[in-house]
Amino acid sequence: EPEVTQTPSHQVTQMGQEVILRCVPISNHLYFYWYRQILGQKVEFLVSFYNNEISEKSEIFDDQFSVERPDGSNFTLKIRSTKLEDSAMYFCASSSGTFAGYTFGSGTRLTVV
Amino acid sequence: AQKVTQAQTEISVVEKEDVTLDCVYETRDTTYYLFWYKQPPSGELVFLIRRNSFDEQNEISGRYSWNFQKSTSSFNFTITASQVVDSAVYFCALSDLVTPGGYQKVTFGTGTKLQVIP
Repeated sequence: EPEVTQTPSHQVTQMGQEVILRCVPISNHLYFYWYRQILGQKVEFLVSFYNNEISEKSEIFDDQFSVERPDGSNFTLKIRSTKLEDSAMYFCASSSGTFAGYTFGSGTRLTVV
Repeated sequence: AQKVTQAQTEISVVEKEDVTLDCVYETRDTTYYLFWYKQPPSGELVFLIRRNSFDEQNEISGRYSWNFQKSTSSFNFTITASQVVDSAVYFCALSDLVTPGGYQKVTFGTGTKLQVIP
């Protein structure tokens, strides 16, 4: 079964550093998403991306965040200057435009120290 | 605005007991999808079920069953004869069928932590 792949599975970074989280969506999917889950809390929508632009972003997705699809396969989330409160699990997801194929990756656990 | 409420924060049961996890949702849309995900301690989201708003038939999959009641906006999940491996956080979630932009945004509940004691 097709999978959404996220790397790395765990990243530790120092406060103030830039971090890039990487995702390889399912190959024929057109819509890409990032979600965030602070430890012990619910999973929250960050951003959706289609046709090389952001479709919708949440209040959490401020100027420190950016997304990019640098080539035909990768979808990245960049945090420009990390804060302690950015420590969370970040999930990538992709979809074909229907729910039948809406798939989450296994997540990247980001720890900011 | 969409909202998903999982009032049970934590539940503990003894192995082999049945347990029901409650989920109540709010949406103004007539067409939507409901989901359940399992999150084991390793952290990934494991997809369990997807149900659209037009299909109110209950579903059973092995020890798992789901009761969708549109009249009460509830989508409850029952595990029969629970096992230690069922210990995890379970999330109920909701989404519109498709937004005008063609994408789907999933709204999650706060989760119910299930502990199955041997």
